[in-house]
Amino acid sequence: GENVEQHPSTLSVQEGDSAVIKCTYSDSASNYFPWYKQELGKRPQLIIDIRSNVGEKKDQRIAVTLNKTAKHFSLHITETQPEDSAVYFCAASPSGGYQKVTFGTGTKLQVIP
Amino acid sequence: EPEVTQTPSHQVTQMGQEVILRCVPISNHLYFYWYRQILGQKVEFLVSFYNNEISEKSEIFDDQFSVERPDGSNFTLKIRSTKLEDSAMYFCASRRPGLAGGLPRETQYFGPGTRLLVL
Repeated sequence: GENVEQHPSTLSVQEGDSAVIKCTYSDSASNYFPWYKQELGKRPQLIIDIRSNVGEKKDQRIAVTLNKTAKHFSLHITETQPEDSAVYFCAASPSGGYQKVTFGTGTKLQVIP
Repeated sequence: EPEVTQTPSHQVTQMGQEVILRCVPISNHLYFYWYRQILGQKVEFLVSFYNNEISEKSEIFDDQFSVERPDGSNFTLKIRSTKLEDSAMYFCASRRPGLAGGLPRETQYFGPGTRLLVL
């Protein structure tokens, strides 16, 4: 089955700096990669996603890149703000079918004001 | 914007008791999922459900677990005889059918979760 590795497990950045979270996946059948933000005690919220036919996607301060050959994908947050502090999960899923989502282990991001 | 809802938000039970966790998916969604998250760990897939049957389940989803869609709006997860290690946050998720821009609609929308504590 799919295995998603994520690092770092914790990340502290100064407000205004950039944050980068990296993930790898194992199953070449995976071709949909969502990123979720989870605040303490809350539900995972989708913040951005990318499909394998796209190498990069950007939404305001958030961007995701995908290297399908290397099975790597990354989340980039620029101009970080204190409200970006949360746990971020990468995930992978095969498109079509019933699309079980396999989550990474999470990155706790702390943005220091 | 419609959201997935779950009840109860918290459930405390004694080991060996049965619990039923309830979810109301978004109304036009046809794919349903349960995930769990042990405190401080990642979200883990339990089961997917489509067309009134289980489409996939993980090794966690053993004979003590069952799912049901008893009516047109609810989706339930039952744990027959709870164990201490069942203590976790349980998330329901749902997904729309069909295509968007020629590609499958993959996005799963998560409910707020039920925190289950087994004593």
